[in-house]
Amino acid sequence: AQSVAQPEDQVNVAEGNPLTVKCTYSVSGNPYLFWYVQYPNRGLQFLLKYITGDNLVKGSYGFEAEFNKSQTSFHLKKPSALVSDSALYFCAVRDSFYGGATNKLIFGTGTLLAVQP
Amino acid sequence: DAGVIQSPRHEVTEMGQEVTLRCKPISGHDYLFWYRQTMMRGLELLIYFNNNVPIDDSGMPEDRFSAKMPNASFSTLKIQPSEPRDSAVYFCASSDNTGRQPQHFGDGTRLSIL
Repeated sequence: AQSVAQPEDQVNVAEGNPLTVKCTYSVSGNPYLFWYVQYPNRGLQFLLKYITGDNLVKGSYGFEAEFNKSQTSFHLKKPSALVSDSALYFCAVRDSFYGGATNKLIFGTGTLLAVQP
Repeated sequence: DAGVIQSPRHEVTEMGQEVTLRCKPISGHDYLFWYRQTMMRGLELLIYFNNNVPIDDSGMPEDRFSAKMPNASFSTLKIQPSEPRDSAVYFCASSDNTGRQPQHFGDGTRLSIL
């Protein structure tokens, strides 16, 4: 069965330091991977995606993610964290079944990023 | 472009009342998804539609929940009768049919059942 794991409930980082939010996945076939961010009282906002091509994907607000097929990971990174990056981050993978694919996404449980000034 | 629009943003009602949540997807999107978010269960997919047809409603918790999509620009999620454990934030999202583009989420309806 398809699944996404975000092993950390919370990540704490000091402003200006690099940040990493971890995500691993399990899916049959080629994965379509997505990162979303959720600010308080808002819906999920799309950050970036990996479909095919370069393993390093750049997205909104200076975020990037590295697709690693051998480790089945898609970690979210940013070279220098801002206090305004504090939010809930979700990793997601497109669902598939019987060798096909759907538009349904399987979401991780979310990681709360706290950036201290 | 307008994003996914949900109404109302907040709803407070008493147990046993009927609740109707509304969603207008992005124009041209073929897929519409209803999610529920709680602290205990996180983000749960309730049901999704393709071209106004329900495809998978396995996440709908009980028969008290129903969803419709009478046309491409409107969907409703109804709870009748409502119970306190239905209190949550309900999100609607839409996407195109390529699978390569992200789902776009509305800002949700915060539902409180007293």
